[in-house]
Amino acid sequence: DIQMTQSPSSLSASVGDRVTVTCRASQGISTYLAWYQQKPGKVPKLLISAASSLQSGAPSRFSGSGSGTDFTLTITSLQPEDVATYYCQKYDSAPRTFGQGTKVEIK
Amino acid sequence: QVQLVQSGAEVKNPGASVKVSCKASGYTFTGYYIHWVRQAPGQGLEWMGWTNPKSGDTKYSETFQGRVTMTRDTSISTVYMELNRLTSDDTALYFCTRGSPVGGSRWPSDYWGQGTLVTVSS
Repeated sequence: DIQMTQSPSSLSASVGDRVTVTCRASQGISTYLAWYQQKPGKVPKLLISAASSLQSGAPSRFSGSGSGTDFTLTITSLQPEDVATYYCQKYDSAPRTFGQGTKVEIK
Repeated sequence: QVQLVQSGAEVKNPGASVKVSCKASGYTFTGYYIHWVRQAPGQGLEWMGWTNPKSGDTKYSETFQGRVTMTRDTSISTVYMELNRLTSDDTALYFCTRGSPVGGSRWPSDYWGQGTLVTVSS
């Protein structure tokens, strides 16, 4: 099975900072990569599909890039409401493995 | 609007089984795969498997193969996830999610149920 590895596992940044989270697949998955945002005590929310397509209603400060095995989630200007854990997930085929998550906090 | 409404919290003894339901509304029930994802306390997301509500076909994670069964009742637009031989490691929040359209392009989980807490304790 393809493994999904996220880094870092956690980060702390200041409001307004640019934040980058990476996700690596152990084999190529084209662009079948999604990013989810899970705020504390809430249900995960789909943020980005197809590696770079921002979901309707998601703030434009979020963006995704990559294909094959290496993917990136970027927050261009971190806001207090972005405090959450972010997960990547492959959905090219089963199993739809998730990365282990990246917890984003405000410094 | 699309909604997935799950059954309430459960407390089970080790060795028992649990069956969680997920009622869909706001879209054509047989038109989209339903996936199940779980999250242990303080841990990450774990994909469990999917069911095709149209055909009844299923695909399970190897982690749960032989211990999980996913079924559906099209008459009431509901899918079920039953997990057997529970241990304390199965204590988690269980989510149903809507996935790819049946016969369509691959798509991630765009709608999620509210989650069902299953606690396994003696």
